This record gives sequence, C-alpha cells and structure tokens, in this order.
Amino acid sequence: EVQLVESGGGLVQPGGSLRLSCAASGFTVSSNYMNWVRQAPGKGLEWVSIIYSGGNTYYADSVKGRFTISRDNSKNTLYLQMNNLRAEDTAVYYCARDLHRANYFDLWGQGTLVTVSS
Amino acid sequence: SYELTQPLSVSVALGQTARITCGGNNIGSKNVHWYQQKPGQAPVLVMYRDTSRPSGIPERFSGSNSGNTATLTISRAQGGDEADYYCQVWDSSTVFGGGTKLTVL
Repeated sequence: EVQLVESGGGLVQPGGSLRLSCAASGFTVSSNYMNWVRQAPGKGLEWVSIIYSGGNTYYADSVKGRFTISRDNSKNTLYLQMNNLRAEDTAVYYCARDLHRANYFDLWGQGTLVTVSS
Repeated sequence: SYELTQPLSVSVALGQTARITCGGNNIGSKNVHWYQQKPGQAPVLVMYRDTSRPSGIPERFSGSNSGNTATLTISRAQGGDEADYYCQVWDSSTVFGGGTKLTVL
C-alpha cells in the first residue's frame, strides 16, 4: 500500500528541538519531491519545506535557519529537524508527496502534532 | 508574496451546486489545485491543474480558472462533501488559500 506515516511529534518547550519522521511505503522517497506542510490549531495549511529528488532543499521564511529537511534513502524516510522552536510552530505537521513534480500534493500522511509550550 | 483569497464559508442546499472561489492576481495564468479536508483528517487532493480530477474523485467535482478567479464546483452536493476546501498554487514556493468551510444544508 502506498502511504506516508509521520511520527515524532509531542510537547516541547520554547527553544527546544524535535525531529519528525515520515516513513514511506509503496514508493521511493528519494525519487520524489517531498514536502512538509503544517496546520496550526483551527487554522489553514502552511507550506514548510521541500526536498527535491536531486537533494536541493527550500524552506518557508518562517522556519528558515531553524528547520532542516532531509531523507534517509536506506530507510525510505523523510525527516524534519526542528530547532529553536517557538509557540507559533505549534501545529499538526504533514508530510506530502509531489509525485508528478508539478507542485501539487497527491499523497499526504496522517499528520503528527507538535506543541510548543512551557 | 502571492496571496490567495477564499471565502470563509459557503453554504449549499443538499443536491444543489456549490461554488468555492479562489482569488489571486492573474491566477488564470497559474495552475490551481484543490484539497478537501474533513475534521481530524489529512487533506485530500480533489482537483489538480485547474480542471483535472484524481482517480476516485467523483465527476460531481469540477474546476475552472480564468482571470483573477479559480472556482471549484461541486454539483449535486452531498452531506459527505461537508469539509474545508483549500486552493493552492505555486509561485516561487507553494501558496495555500485560507480555506473555505463548505456546509451542506
């Protein structure tokens, strides 16, 4: 079955760090454009980051310098390392695939909740 | 940065046609994609490249895009169509609209 499964969310204090994982099955992460998208409680969707099949990475201005997207090809898993977390980073984080390299997302994970609070 | 404007809410009577708009400067020159999100669930792609439906999405869903407005049209609306709908484009990076809550009366 083709699917994405996120993990790693939880409660973290402001200034803390967290690493999210997104395990893929049924397809190869490294052959696709993979993204992270987040959704603050009761709010809309916000794009966070992308890693292209070639390895280039890009970030939203709101997370640039604090978050790092990466992948482990041997584990077929996508990651998001989040450092210096702020209250405004509180959100459900989704990983999403852009299968056709056409800047839209055909497959989403179920999401993992990150709460930044003291 | 590019902005997409959606109405906060749209209501439609059961069996009637709902139209959800997405406004943006010359959006007709861009590819617009639409997602449906039900409470507690991840978004699902329901329309891509303005007018294309992914497999498994009913033919009741259609899309258009011209000028400064893209529209997702849901014909013969059903209770199961109640959800939040987001439009999305790419303009140097991915941009989402603020979302529209569709209520089926």
